Amino acid sequence: QVQLQESGPRLVKPSETLSLTCTVSGGSIRSYYWSWIRQSPGKGLEWIGYIYYSGSTNYNPSLKSRVTISVDTSKNQFSLKLNSVTAADTAVYYCARGQVTFDYWGQGTLVTVSS
Amino acid sequence: EIVLTQSPGTLSLSPGERATLSCRASQSVSSSYLAWHQQRPGQAPRLLIYGASSRATGIPDRFSGSGSGTDFTLTINRLEPEDFAVYYCQQYGSSPWTFGQGTKVEIK
Repeated sequence: QVQLQESGPRLVKPSETLSLTCTVSGGSIRSYYWSWIRQSPGKGLEWIGYIYYSGSTNYNPSLKSRVTISVDTSKNQFSLKLNSVTAADTAVYYCARGQVTFDYWGQGTLVTVSS
Repeated sequence: EIVLTQSPGTLSLSPGERATLSCRASQSVSSSYLAWHQQRPGQAPRLLIYGASSRATGIPDRFSGSGSGTDFTLTINRLEPEDFAVYYCQQYGSSPWTFGQGTKVEIK
């Protein structure tokens, strides 16, 4: 059974960089696409972007200038960096398997942007 | 981007009843690239339906999806206690993928 687990700081200061890692267990990261999705009371569910295990990416245009998604196949992990954060970036961040539909999700981690 | 509008916002029903949830897109969703997800309190969303009408692995047949173009429906026959949750539609026919705002199915 594939499992995903997000990890990273839960509190980030405004203007700094949000960094999260998703560790995949129970299966290989190879041959799949992997995505980041966030959920906030104000904007609901928002797709952030995806990465293929080979490293190709696609980002939501609304976040593209601030987002980087990377993959480390040796560790079976992929990561999210979102820079220049504001309070509007406060959300539960999920990692998930899939390019367009998402069949496995992490439990989600609440990241709060506050000084 | 495609905006998805779900209705109603809340559906109050009893166990055993049928739930009919609607998702309307601001423009046609190509190739019926429309999915439905269920989210229970404190949990991540779970994929129920993809391609407008195909059930994901392990999803009971009381869940069914239909529709095309701009109008899609999720039907839940014979509601079970575990079905009371929030349901989201999601389109993946046009990037960026977008989600509806959700329909809450609550116990009457």
